[in-house]
Amino acid sequence: GDSVTQMEGPVTLSEEACLTINCTYTATGYPSLFWYVQYPGEGLQLLLKATKADDKGSNKGFEATYRKETTSFHLEKGSVQVSDSAVYFCALSDRNQGGKLIFGQGTELSVKP
Amino acid sequence: EAEVAQSPRYKITEKSQAVAFWCDPISGHATLYWYRQILGQGPELLVQFQDESVVDDSQLPKDRFSAERLKGVDSTLKIQPAELGDSAMYLCASILGQEGNTEAFFGQGTRLTVV
Repeated sequence: GDSVTQMEGPVTLSEEACLTINCTYTATGYPSLFWYVQYPGEGLQLLLKATKADDKGSNKGFEATYRKETTSFHLEKGSVQVSDSAVYFCALSDRNQGGKLIFGQGTELSVKP
Repeated sequence: EAEVAQSPRYKITEKSQAVAFWCDPISGHATLYWYRQILGQGPELLVQFQDESVVDDSQLPKDRFSAERLKGVDSTLKIQPAELGDSAMYLCASILGQEGNTEAFFGQGTRLTVV
């Protein structure tokens, strides 16, 4: 079945450092890809998405490009802030499977001042 | 701002007792999901509703879990009897249509602790 694999955390960075969180997926169809973020004590929020190959999603300085050839959707940010500390989830959704989200295990990011 | 409402936020229950969670999705959202998130893992789908109908409950442990969305609006997830392994965060989410490329809106979740 479809699945998502993320790099394991926790990831600890200093403020203004560059961030990359790796995400790869396995899917039989043509899924949409998402990054969700979960701040402490809160629910999941959509960070960005891409619905087809070569699309780039971006939001709040974060970017991710849908790479079909490498089945990847890595999350990147050039300069992280303390407020970016959260858990990040990569996910896919395949309309042939009713649109449900399949999540990776999450990567905890901690940014130190 | 429209949001998905869940209650309670926290629930502690004893093993073998019954427990219920409630979710009210964003108004007009036809599709509703219940996910379970075990600490340190990503959410996993328990059940998906399209209006009042169950679309996918393949991962719902039906011997102890039940879910309903009688009028196609709010939904209840029940566990009876609760087991220690049911301790987790239970998340409700909704989307406007049926397509998988739209944003899912999540509630803040119910954190269940079974003792």
